[in-house]
Amino acid sequence: AQKITQTQPGMFVQEKEAVTLDCTYDTSDQSYGLFWYKQPSSGEMIFLIYQGSYDEQNATEGRYSLNFQKARKSANLVISASQLGDSAMYFCAMRDSLDSGNTPLVFGKGTRLSVIA
Amino acid sequence: DGGITQSPKYLFRKEGQNVTLSCEQNLNHDAMYWYRQDPGQGLRLIYYSQIVNDFQKGDIAEGYSVSREKKESFPLTVTSAQKNPTAFYLCASSTRAVLSGANVLTFGAGSRLTVL
Repeated sequence: AQKITQTQPGMFVQEKEAVTLDCTYDTSDQSYGLFWYKQPSSGEMIFLIYQGSYDEQNATEGRYSLNFQKARKSANLVISASQLGDSAMYFCAMRDSLDSGNTPLVFGKGTRLSVIA
Repeated sequence: DGGITQSPKYLFRKEGQNVTLSCEQNLNHDAMYWYRQDPGQGLRLIYYSQIVNDFQKGDIAEGYSVSREKKESFPLTVTSAQKNPTAFYLCASSTRAVLSGANVLTFGAGSRLTVL
């Protein structure tokens, strides 16, 4: 069974600094996808970034990058130049068996990030 | 604008009552999902549907029921059999992406159910 582990329940970061949110995963599949979502206090889930298991380069989307270390089964999210609006819950998620199409995502328990002015 | 609409945003229920949460999408997505979120927990899958008139149980389906009669709609009924229904419920949808596996889930704003 798939499993996502986020070991940091809460993190603090100074505004304009970079921060890394940890995510490790467990799967026996060779083909899988990793996702990061942001959940502000409003509750809506916002997609941030995606990394496929066969992608050779780390994914980047603006200030977000994914530090993908396949051998360690880790997919850490790096947020550069933190802003006050980055304060939110962040969830790591995985889908295995990529050729299965629209299968559900499995989510970790999340990390609450607080950005300090 | 395309998106997912969940209603109601807040709902209060007495013990022993069934309640139905609405989820409608105009994204023309094939698949729809229901997740439950409790404080300190991640999202847990209740049910999902990959095509109309078909759905599968997730990890915590007991006490819930769904239907998928139309592509746009995937209502969730929380029955009286659900022992602890107070939670935040999130509906999502996705469609097959060009890159296999990169089917991003698009979420609604959520429905918060409180049992009194």
